[in-house]
Amino acid sequence: GAGVSQTPSNKVTEKGKYVELRCDPISGHTALYWYRQSLGQGPEFLIYFQGTGAADDSGLPNDRFFAVRPEGSVSTLKIQRTERGDSAVYLCASSLGGTGDGYTFGSGTRLTVV
Amino acid sequence: GENVEQHPSTLSVQEGDSAVIKCTYSDSASNYFPWYKQELGKRPQLIIDIRSNVGEKKDQRIAVTLNKTAKHFSLHITETQPEDSAVYFCAASRDYKLSFGAGTTVTVRA
Repeated sequence: GAGVSQTPSNKVTEKGKYVELRCDPISGHTALYWYRQSLGQGPEFLIYFQGTGAADDSGLPNDRFFAVRPEGSVSTLKIQRTERGDSAVYLCASSLGGTGDGYTFGSGTRLTVV
Repeated sequence: GENVEQHPSTLSVQEGDSAVIKCTYSDSASNYFPWYKQELGKRPQLIIDIRSNVGEKKDQRIAVTLNKTAKHFSLHITETQPEDSAVYFCAASRDYKLSFGAGTTVTVRA
C-alpha cells in the first residue's frame, strides 16, 4: 500500500478483555516495528520484526503482550487481560531494512481501557 | 540502553522568530539522529535527520547540529510560521531501534 495502515484507529475495551491491533506495512518493507506512545511522551519501542520472526521483543512490558507476523507482511499486536495502564496510542512503523532510518509510521491505534 | 533527554518541554515563539530544541543522548554508539514532527492526532513524520559523520545539516528553514563529543544535538527552525506549531521529537539510534525524547510542544504566535 501507499502507507502504513493501522486498524482500528480507536479501540475502547473493558479492563480484563483481550484486544488485537492490526498493522499493514508498506509493501516490500521487511522490517516492522511496534511502539507505544503514552500521553505527553515520546514513542517507546515494543518489538521489531525482520520478515516473519521477532528479532527483538525486549520492549514488550510483560507476558500479556504478544505480536505476530506470520507471513512477513501484516502484523497483529495482541494484549491479554487488558489493564487501565495499557491505555496509549500504539504505533506501527515499517522500513526497507533493519536500520533506524527509513521509518514510515502508521497513524496509530488509540487504545482506551475502561 | 539509550537514554534521550529533550529540552524544553514547551516553547512559544513569535511568528518569524527562531526556535531551538536541544537533546542529549547517553549511548556513544548511537550514529543516527532523526527529528520527527507530530501534529495532534497524527502520525510522527520525519522532518530531518543527521548521521554521526556529519556535524550539521540544513533543509530550507530547518537545520540540525550534532556534537558527538558532548553527545548532544539540536534542531533549529528559522522564520517560524503558524504551521510549524506541533510536537517535535528527537531520537537516537545505533541499529534498528529508535529511542525518543519526551517531546517539545512548539506554539508559534501570530
